[in-house]
Amino acid sequence: AQTVTQSQPEMSVQEAETVTLSCTYDTSENNYYLFWYKQPPSRQMILVIRQEAYKQQNATENRFSVNFQKAAKSFSLKISDSQLGDTAMYFCACGGATNKLIFGTGTLLAVQP
Amino acid sequence: DAGVIQSPRHEVTEMGQEVTLRCKPISGHDYLFWYRQTMMRGLELLIYFNNNVPIDDSGMPEDRFSAKMPNASFSTLKIQPSEPRDSAVYFCASSRTSGIGSYNEQFFGPGTRLTVL
Repeated sequence: AQTVTQSQPEMSVQEAETVTLSCTYDTSENNYYLFWYKQPPSRQMILVIRQEAYKQQNATENRFSVNFQKAAKSFSLKISDSQLGDTAMYFCACGGATNKLIFGTGTLLAVQP
Repeated sequence: DAGVIQSPRHEVTEMGQEVTLRCKPISGHDYLFWYRQTMMRGLELLIYFNNNVPIDDSGMPEDRFSAKMPNASFSTLKIQPSEPRDSAVYFCASSRTSGIGSYNEQFFGPGTRLTVL
């Protein structure tokens, strides 16, 4: 069984600053994947970044990067140079061999001008 | 390539009526997922299919909900009879079989906002 926990229901950051969203997970699978999805007010679910558990190197996509701590089962998302368009709900998710994803409860991020 | 297509985008119906939500996955994807999103319960997986076969329907709330996938390019989620507590946003997502180098990323449709009065 897999569980995903996001302990920050809401966060706020000033434009151009850096913010880190937390996520912890638990899984019994040896090979698994971790994802961050973004859901803006349009409600479209958009993949932000992904990480394969067997890769030690942290994934990076432009201003988005992760801090993957496998032993601690932690997968945090760092957003650098925050922009107003980053305002959204962010979901952490864990998936394995079945292609089934387990999502956390989300963190609502507000970027303030 | 077109993304996941869902219809209708909005549905308003009265309690007791039948509701049918539709989904067309991305061509070549062999997994299809139905989710429900509410403020109270977040994003819940209702059911998913692999090669048109239902694999796990443990998230379907009750017998009023049913889902079908008659072919690789079409799926429906039906609620009969509908109740006000079914009001939510329903998402369909699709993905390809995972393997080495594959991230089994799920691609989501735009969702259907259902309101049951």
